[in-house]
Amino acid sequence: KQEVTQIPAALSVPEGENLVLNCSFTDSAIYNLQWFRQDPGKGLTSLLLIQSSQREQTSGRLNASLDKSSGRSTLYIAASQPGDSATYLCAVYSYNNNDMRFGAGTRLTVKP
Amino acid sequence: EAGVVQSPRYKIIEKKQPVAFWCNPISGHNTLYWYRQNLGQGPELLIRYENEEAVDDSQLPKDRFSAERLKGVDSTLKIQPAELGDSAVYLCASSLSYFVWGSSYEQYFGPGTRLTVT
Repeated sequence: KQEVTQIPAALSVPEGENLVLNCSFTDSAIYNLQWFRQDPGKGLTSLLLIQSSQREQTSGRLNASLDKSSGRSTLYIAASQPGDSATYLCAVYSYNNNDMRFGAGTRLTVKP
Repeated sequence: EAGVVQSPRYKIIEKKQPVAFWCNPISGHNTLYWYRQNLGQGPELLIRYENEEAVDDSQLPKDRFSAERLKGVDSTLKIQPAELGDSAVYLCASSLSYFVWGSSYEQYFGPGTRLTVT
């Protein structure tokens, strides 16, 4: 059974700092991995989708990497801003479960 | 383009009462998902529809939960009777399709319905 873990559970940084969020998964037989952002009381917004054949994806100040063999992904946020404050979730779609499994998320606070 | 629409946004009911949630997916999206998100956790899939067919409902508690997607567009998720443990956010998502060429399509989520059972 696929287990997805995100560390840390919460993170607080000053504005302008570069930061890394971590995601690990137990079953490396995945089709893809997706990073989402969730604002309080809102649904999920897709940030980046990495197919299993890819190593990384970039969108603006965000860069996500995937190391399938070690079961890890990182989300790098450059020059963080207060507007980046939200919960970030990763999700993996794996062969064996045939569905998408989410981590519990990292709650990010960027202080002005 | 309108996103995934859900209603109501909030619902408070007493235990043993019935409740229903409605979802309108993005136009043209064949696949529709219902997830439940407990506080401090990631969403968990309840049921997935391909058009009007429920193709994955293994995580749906069938003794009290039911869902339908008539005509392959809108969907309704129902709980009857509700229990205290059903308090959660119920999220609907849609995608163009589910699986093609060893990958899955990007899912788009609605704002969710926050259910409180007292």
